[in-house]
Amino acid sequence: GENVEQHPSTLSVQEGDSAVIKCTYSDSASNYFPWYKQELGKRPQLIIDIRSNVGEKKDQRIAVTLNKTAKHFSLHITETQPEDSAVYFCALGDSGGYQKVTFGTGTKLQVIP
Amino acid sequence: DAGVTQSPTHLIKTRGQQVTLRCSPKSGHDTVSWYQQALGQGPQFIFQYYEEEERQRGNFPDRFSGHQFPNYSSELNVNALLLGDSALYLCASSRRLVRPFYNEQFFGPGTRLTVL
Repeated sequence: GENVEQHPSTLSVQEGDSAVIKCTYSDSASNYFPWYKQELGKRPQLIIDIRSNVGEKKDQRIAVTLNKTAKHFSLHITETQPEDSAVYFCALGDSGGYQKVTFGTGTKLQVIP
Repeated sequence: DAGVTQSPTHLIKTRGQQVTLRCSPKSGHDTVSWYQQALGQGPQFIFQYYEEEERQRGNFPDRFSGHQFPNYSSELNVNALLLGDSALYLCASSRRLVRPFYNEQFFGPGTRLTVL
């Protein structure tokens, strides 16, 4: 089945610095790669996603890059702010066509003011 | 549009009991997926319902079962509860598209289940 590894598990950055979270996967047929942000006690919320025909996607301070050959994708957050503090999950969309999503283990990001 | 709703918010049960959790999808969505999120971990896929049938299932025992109704709402049932079933149970809805396309999954607020 699908497997996705996420690093680091915790990340502390100073406000204004950049944060990078990386995920690797094993199923070469995976073709949908969403990222979720989950604040304490709240539901996961999609912040950005990328599909296998695109190498990079950007939305304001957030960007995701995908390297299908190396089977890894990364989340980049620039100019971090305290409200970016949360747990971030990478995920894989099921290559079988249904919308099962396999989540990574999560990265707890702390932005220090 | 109320988004995805779940009930109840919190639930406390004892080992061996049975529980039913409920989910109403976002308006316009026809697919419901259930996830289990243990403390400090990522959500784990339980199963997905589309057109009132279970379409895909994760690595969960038969004690976990579900149902989808004609109005697309869904229930998750867990029998013979174990201490390890304590978790946040998340429902996510989406509008199914034909492969290879995906639609965003919208998560509900979850039901916090505690098994004593």
